[in-house]
Amino acid sequence: DQQVKQNSPSLSVQEGRISILNCDYTNSMFDYFLWYKKYPAEGPTFLISISSIKDKNEDGRFTVFLNKSAKHLSLHIVPSQPGDSAVYFCAASVAGGTSYGKLTFGQGTILTVHP
Amino acid sequence: KAGVTQTPRYLIKTRGQQVTLSCSPISGHRSVSWYQQTPGQGLQFLFEYFSETQRNKGNFPGRFSGRQFSNSRSEMNVSTLELGDSALYLCASSLLGTGYTEAFFGQGTRLTVV
Repeated sequence: DQQVKQNSPSLSVQEGRISILNCDYTNSMFDYFLWYKKYPAEGPTFLISISSIKDKNEDGRFTVFLNKSAKHLSLHIVPSQPGDSAVYFCAASVAGGTSYGKLTFGQGTILTVHP
Repeated sequence: KAGVTQTPRYLIKTRGQQVTLSCSPISGHRSVSWYQQTPGQGLQFLFEYFSETQRNKGNFPGRFSGRQFSNSRSEMNVSTLELGDSALYLCASSLLGTGYTEAFFGQGTRLTVV
């Protein structure tokens, strides 16, 4: 059961334009969401997070939007740079209970930013 | 502030052997989680430790175990290695645990079982 889904395996954008990466989830218990950037054979790098009590969070070029009713979140990167080319994972977690420490990851989206 | 440190970075082991991987979290972080990444299964949760106690465990066989020390450093052990255990093993450090605070990952240990 894939509780977190990234339906686009890849995305290609031009440098300077906006990159929009999408993520859907099915577990309504998720209350904290994170985005990571990852290069092959390396650990994920934390980008930005959002709590379920918010619908938007910004950090520099990165903005995450959360639509709880649609169980959907998205990551916007503006402007996109060639150095942003990597695999992007969204992850979700539940605070406490039997889900301590567990992040549920999507399958990832390969972002390629062309100069 | 130092990040999450995992050692060793690379390991080659033979089937049937056992292996121990180490993770030093960010200073002050009390939660350490472990994940396995394979091409077919993606990032899968192994277990989480907080203040030396295992709070959660994923769906992995008992050959996978871990522990956390009083300084929050954590180790995971895999016994009786199988070819399918070849993967990138990642640990994540969090102040209070995911669901409350961000989790930061180490560079990972690439385990190859031959």
